[in-house]
Amino acid sequence: EAQVTQNPRYLITVTGKKLTVTCSQNMNHEYMSWYRQDPGLGLRQIYYSMNVEVTDKGDVPEGYKVSRKEKRNFPLILESPSPNQTSLYFCASSLFGQEQFFGPGTRLTVL
Amino acid sequence: SQQGEEDPQALSIQEGENATMNCSYKTSINNLQWYRQNSGRGLVHLILIRSNEREKHSGRLRVTLDTSKKSSSLLITASRAADTASYFCATEETSGSRLTFGEGTQLTVNP
Repeated sequence: EAQVTQNPRYLITVTGKKLTVTCSQNMNHEYMSWYRQDPGLGLRQIYYSMNVEVTDKGDVPEGYKVSRKEKRNFPLILESPSPNQTSLYFCASSLFGQEQFFGPGTRLTVL
Repeated sequence: SQQGEEDPQALSIQEGENATMNCSYKTSINNLQWYRQNSGRGLVHLILIRSNEREKHSGRLRVTLDTSKKSSSLLITASRAADTASYFCATEETSGSRLTFGEGTQLTVNP
């Protein structure tokens, strides 16, 4: 089944404790992206990747890192999480110029 | 920065009525896409319309695009309670492959 998977789905952590949210797609898509969704703000792009080893900042990259060592994986890294990074995170992938496929979301709470 | 802006922010209608949501954007685009999101879940792609297209249909959905006015509309005909969700427009700008989302319209269809 064609899909985008994210792990974990739910995470509660404390300020400063490094964490990684994994994202994987099995559709051989070149383009992958991370978004965060907050009430009243819609989806805001954090980082995106056009292909392996090619990543670019989105609208809200501060406090986040990504890597794209393999085509299928695009992990999101929070080196030192802070409470303002409490949010619902979505990973998505697509072929260029086509619709995006979204993962189920990761609900992160930083205490 | 938000490229697309949906209007209205919230819409409440009765089952069987039509629902119309509008989206305005600011820059030149390759395509415009509409997505649906059930509460707290991943986004699901509905329709993609390219910049050289003016109208597109998919089942009960009709999307129009007016590039001169930089606007699009999504019409859902004969709405059902199951159509209750948030609807987002997203634009792929000509400057790159990024997809930028608006803040969404919350549609409630009352049975």
